[in-house]
Amino acid sequence: AQKVTQAQTEISVVEKEDVTLDCVYETRDTTYYLFWYKQPPSGELVFLIRRNSFDEQNEISGRYSWNFQKSTSSFNFTITASQVVDSAVYFCALSEAFWDSGNTGKLIFGQGTTLQVKP
Amino acid sequence: EAGVAQSPRYKIIEKRQSVAFWCNPISGHATLYWYQQILGQGPKLLIQFQNNGVVDDSQLPKDRFSAERLKGVDSTLKIQPAKLEDSAVYLCASSPERGGPETQYFGPGTRLLVL
Repeated sequence: AQKVTQAQTEISVVEKEDVTLDCVYETRDTTYYLFWYKQPPSGELVFLIRRNSFDEQNEISGRYSWNFQKSTSSFNFTITASQVVDSAVYFCALSEAFWDSGNTGKLIFGQGTTLQVKP
Repeated sequence: EAGVAQSPRYKIIEKRQSVAFWCNPISGHATLYWYQQILGQGPKLLIQFQNNGVVDDSQLPKDRFSAERLKGVDSTLKIQPAKLEDSAVYLCASSPERGGPETQYFGPGTRLLVL
């Protein structure tokens, strides 16, 4: 069965601190995709990144970076020099790959981590 | 490019009443999803459409929930009769053509409160 665990329920930091959000996943598929979404107070889920299981290169986008480690089934998300606008709930999600094998591509979400950045 | 549109944004009803939510996906997106997000939890898929056909409705409580996507564009999700535990945010998402786990783009959601 597929599962995503975000063990950190809430994190509070002071502006300009770095913060890492943890994500651990379980899947029996050899090919899969991992996602991070941001959910600000407005409620809309905002797509941040998608990685496939064959690409373990870390990725950096501005103040955001992602560390994918297949050996530990983790896909962690780091915000450098956090800002108040980063305050939101962040979700990690897993998706099966290859529709032709019967998978549907649905997203399995973790419970989310609420990040509060204080000024 | 316009995003996924949903209405209404908020709805308050009493238990046993019925309610309907509407979603208009991003233009040209073939796949449409409805998710239920209970407070403090991650979204859970209710139903997935590919064009106007159902791909996955395994987690849809079919005794009270129904959904349709006529003409393969916009979609309606209905609850009849509503229960207290249906209080949640209902999120609609869409993604491009079938072929793999495409990125899903979400609408603002409809917040339902059942009293």
